[in-house]
Amino acid sequence: DAGITQSPRHKVTETGTPVTLRCHQTENHRYMYWYRQDPGHGLRLIHYSYGVKDTDKGEVSDGYSVSRSKTEDFLLTLESATSSQTSVYFCAISESYGYTFGSGTRLTVV
Amino acid sequence: AQTVTQSQPEMSVQEAETVTLSCTYDTSENNYYLFWYKQPPSRQMILVIRQEAYKQQNATENRFSVNFQKAAKSFSLKISDSQLGDTAMYFCAFMKERTSGSRLTFGEGTQLTVNP
Repeated sequence: DAGITQSPRHKVTETGTPVTLRCHQTENHRYMYWYRQDPGHGLRLIHYSYGVKDTDKGEVSDGYSVSRSKTEDFLLTLESATSSQTSVYFCAISESYGYTFGSGTRLTVV
Repeated sequence: AQTVTQSQPEMSVQEAETVTLSCTYDTSENNYYLFWYKQPPSRQMILVIRQEAYKQQNATENRFSVNFQKAAKSFSLKISDSQLGDTAMYFCAFMKERTSGSRLTFGEGTQLTVNP
């Protein structure tokens, strides 16, 4: 078990407000990822990190920023939430046999 | 860029029967890895099975097996003796290389319902 926890598990927020989702891992993995899951699209990569303060964009990065000040924590921020960002967000780490995912955060923007 | 396509948005099967979920992908890579993930209503993403492209033998994990056709770029999942607990969304995924940092590309998913 890679020991990945995401918080919060559910969140409802208003359009235009900032939102931060947290991913915490306990096993010192270098690479961490943020995906969003939407019906008909599967999971799509938002941002990823390859070390402390080293991050890069994925395929759907517009409207999102990330930070990684410690190996164990990878934060995803929506600077000004929009209804199109209503989704389920997954954090993941990569291991030799594939990925391990957190339990997801369901975010609703109203 | 790699793409993964799952052409069956929904499928259903009777308990104890066999069902096959389809997946095709597009890549110019020769060495890569393919995965099937299961997502039950709990939302957790669970690795079901993986296949290394350099291996000709199809992967098998208990009741789950794959039919990997590299030339056709096809990677189907067969579930034998279906159980009610197999009801879930199933995602096919592609990874270019088995190193940390390699991205996973997912298909759209297939919702499987196992009926009693």
